[in-house]
Amino acid sequence: EAQVTQNPRYLITVTGKKLTVTCSQNMNHEYMSWYRQDPGLGLRQIYYSMNVEVTDKGDVPEGYKVSRKEKRNFPLILESPSPNQTSLYFCASRGLQGNYGYTFGSGTRLTVV
Amino acid sequence: SQQGEEDPQALSIQEGENATMNCSYKTSINNLQWYRQNSGRGLVHLILIRSNEREKHSGRLRVTLDTSKKSSSLLITASRAADTASYFCATMDSSYKLIFGSGTRLLVRP
Repeated sequence: EAQVTQNPRYLITVTGKKLTVTCSQNMNHEYMSWYRQDPGLGLRQIYYSMNVEVTDKGDVPEGYKVSRKEKRNFPLILESPSPNQTSLYFCASRGLQGNYGYTFGSGTRLTVV
Repeated sequence: SQQGEEDPQALSIQEGENATMNCSYKTSINNLQWYRQNSGRGLVHLILIRSNEREKHSGRLRVTLDTSKKSSSLLITASRAADTASYFCATMDSSYKLIFGSGTRLLVRP
């Protein structure tokens, strides 16, 4: 089944403790992206990647890092999480050719205390 | 940044009725997409309409696009309780970033 897999689904952590949210897709998509969703602010892009070793900042990159060493994986790294990074996070992927939609992961609900 | 407003913000209908949601956007587009999100879950792509199309159908979904007014509508016919969700329109910029509308929360009462 074509899918984007995010882990973990839920995470509670403490301020300053480094964490990684994993994202993997099995569709050989070039493009991958991370979004966060917050009440009243909607969905905002954090980082994106057009292909292996090519990453760029989205609208709200501060406090986040990403890497794209392999085509299928696009982990989101929070080096020193803070409470304002408490949010619902989504990974999404898409091929670069053609007119079709994105495939989203099921989301990671992160709470930083 | 959000692309624009969706209207209404919330909609409550009886099962079997039709639901119409509207979306406005700000920039020129290649296509416009609609997504559904069940509470706290991931977004699911429903339908994509190209900028040179005016109407598109998929099952019980009908999407229209008016590029002169920079607006789109999503019609769900013969709604079911399982259609209860939030619905978002989205456009894509030149860096493939999805820019979402504010969403419509649909409640279908059994």
